[in-house]
Amino acid sequence: NAGVTQTPKFRVLKTGQSMTLLCAQDMNHEYMYWYRQDPGMGLRLIHYSVGEGTTAKGEVPDGYNVSRLKKQNFLLGLESAAPSQTSVYFCASSETGGPYNEQFFGPGTRLTVL
Amino acid sequence: AQTVTQSQPEMSVQEAETVTLSCTYDTSESDYYLFWYKQPPSRQMILVIRQEAYKQQNATENRFSVNFQKAAKSFSLKISDSQLGDAAMYFCAYRSVNTGANSKLTFGKGITLSVRP
Repeated sequence: NAGVTQTPKFRVLKTGQSMTLLCAQDMNHEYMYWYRQDPGMGLRLIHYSVGEGTTAKGEVPDGYNVSRLKKQNFLLGLESAAPSQTSVYFCASSETGGPYNEQFFGPGTRLTVL
Repeated sequence: AQTVTQSQPEMSVQEAETVTLSCTYDTSESDYYLFWYKQPPSRQMILVIRQEAYKQQNATENRFSVNFQKAAKSFSLKISDSQLGDAAMYFCAYRSVNTGANSKLTFGKGITLSVRP
């Protein structure tokens, strides 16, 4: 199993450009999450999904959109990138939303917005 | 809302020695889960250990153990016989027993651990 994979690993954008980050998991997990990690801070939840076709807002959703058209994929979109969105983005998945279920993380995407 | 505090930004330990990383949290819930995650330079987040709040016994995983003090809302990680591969950033995290939005992990700011050979 590849686990959780993220594409791309690095990206540089100019302010106002758009892009989509792809997360894929091969563990048949129901729940998927997008977090961002900024220097001096822990990971913060952007959006999450409790199953195919569902999405919901996390604690820092502004400026992002997500889609979960297939169970194994969770896409994070930036419609008009801003320098404040410079961050490392992590995708995670878990079998269910139960607290004992481990969240498995992808390797992260480092995004720089100039 | 729950908060997780890791007040020590950096720590250093001699190889083969023991080190304890501190974490405190704030919650009004009586049942919850606590986790320690390791993030090496590769950035891959790896679960180190987890503790269920309603269990009195402290969790252990090989060289890693926790000191869970529920009343004090403290959850420290002890690494015994430290190895060079333990050098990483360590995050303490909280998770509610509820699902949906509360299934998210609330992370502390992390602590960078260096291991001296």
